[in-house]
Amino acid sequence: KAGVTQTPRYLIKTRGQQVTLSCSPISGHRSVSWYQQTPGQGLQFLFEYFSETQRNKGNFPGRFSGRQFSNSRSEMNVSTLELGDSALYLCASRAESSYNEQFFGPGTRLTVL
Amino acid sequence: AQSVTQLGSHVSVSEGALVLLRCNYSSSVPPYLFWYVQYPNQGLQLLLKYTTGATLVKGINGFEAEFKKSETSFHLTKPSAHMSDAAEYFCAVSTLYTGKLIFGQGTTLQVKP
Repeated sequence: KAGVTQTPRYLIKTRGQQVTLSCSPISGHRSVSWYQQTPGQGLQFLFEYFSETQRNKGNFPGRFSGRQFSNSRSEMNVSTLELGDSALYLCASRAESSYNEQFFGPGTRLTVL
Repeated sequence: AQSVTQLGSHVSVSEGALVLLRCNYSSSVPPYLFWYVQYPNQGLQLLLKYTTGATLVKGINGFEAEFKKSETSFHLTKPSAHMSDAAEYFCAVSTLYTGKLIFGQGTTLQVKP
């Protein structure tokens, strides 16, 4: 099976812009989660989607949003970018009855200038 | 609520020496526990997991971990370090009731020749 894929791998944006990141889960996985990784805060949970519905949400401002499509692919959007949004954004997918075993993609490195 | 503490942000061992990375968790319900490894500019790769059953779990690349409920610990070990083990290691906790992973701050493993 192909693994989790994320596009693009690298992005450079300026403050105030918005950005959309994409994630394709492993075939058959209906749950997709997003995480933000920074040197200062480490790995933090953003949100989880299952069957096109947000099921869990982390403690991030409303500028961070996501959605999931009927084929389980997911996108996350960050509006009005701030310098502090520079991070590695990781997507993970899992099978529903998997004890939360999550498979991660390579991430999207976002740099905000 | 769950939390994870990894003792030691940096661990240095000689090639061939024992690797011991420490992880303590907090959870009010039975936890699912995971160790992930991250190589530079890559996503997270699952090393091993504890969900139920046997408390000594074996993972990939010769790593193993033991779930000790009385000590709320899930330390990662490997009998003999290889140069290729140099990476960042993350311990994570989850539960039946939430799909998200809560990560520790990570431990960077350095392997000296």
